[in-house]
Amino acid sequence: AQTVTQSQPEMSVQEAETVTLSCTYDTSESNYYLFWYKQPPSRQMILVIRQEAYKQQNATENRFSVNFQKAAKSFSLKISDSQLGDTAMYFCALPSGTYKYIFGTGTRLKVLA
Amino acid sequence: DGGITQSPKYLFRKEGQNVTLSCEQNLNHDAMYWYRQDPGQGLRLIYYSQIVNDFQKGDIAEGYSVSREKKESFPLTVTSAQKNPTAFYLCATGKGQGRYNEQFFGPGTRLTVL
Repeated sequence: AQTVTQSQPEMSVQEAETVTLSCTYDTSESNYYLFWYKQPPSRQMILVIRQEAYKQQNATENRFSVNFQKAAKSFSLKISDSQLGDTAMYFCALPSGTYKYIFGTGTRLKVLA
Repeated sequence: DGGITQSPKYLFRKEGQNVTLSCEQNLNHDAMYWYRQDPGQGLRLIYYSQIVNDFQKGDIAEGYSVSREKKESFPLTVTSAQKNPTAFYLCATGKGQGRYNEQFFGPGTRLTVL
């Protein structure tokens, strides 16, 4: 069975510092996408970044980047130069089957001024 | 603008009443989803639909019903059989299939049972 695990329920970081959110997963697929979603206090879910498993290069979107370790089934999100607007819940997600998704339980990140 | 709309944003229901949450999309995506989110929790799948006139139960379908009469619309009815319906409900669409499925989310509806 496919699973997604986020082991850090809450984290905090000082503004302008760097923080890394962890995600581990399990799948029998050889190629797949992984996603990080952000849910700010407004509750609107926003896609932060995606990674295709067969690509060795880690995905980067501005201040957001991933550390993808396929063999270890690890998919962590690094946020550089943290900003107050980064305060949110962050969910790791893995497509499952043809149409379903598996979400992790989320990490609540608070950026401190 | 392309996107997903959910209405109402806030909904109050008396115990014993059925209520229907609206979800409309103009992204031309085939798949649509309903998730439930409780405070401090992740997302749990209620129902999903891959195509018009077809839908599948998710992990927590009891007490809920859906219809998919047209591609753009996927309303969710919370029935009186749902024991604890107070929650935040998210509608999503899916672009692509299988491992390439990327989901897009609406702004959500907060349902409170009085």
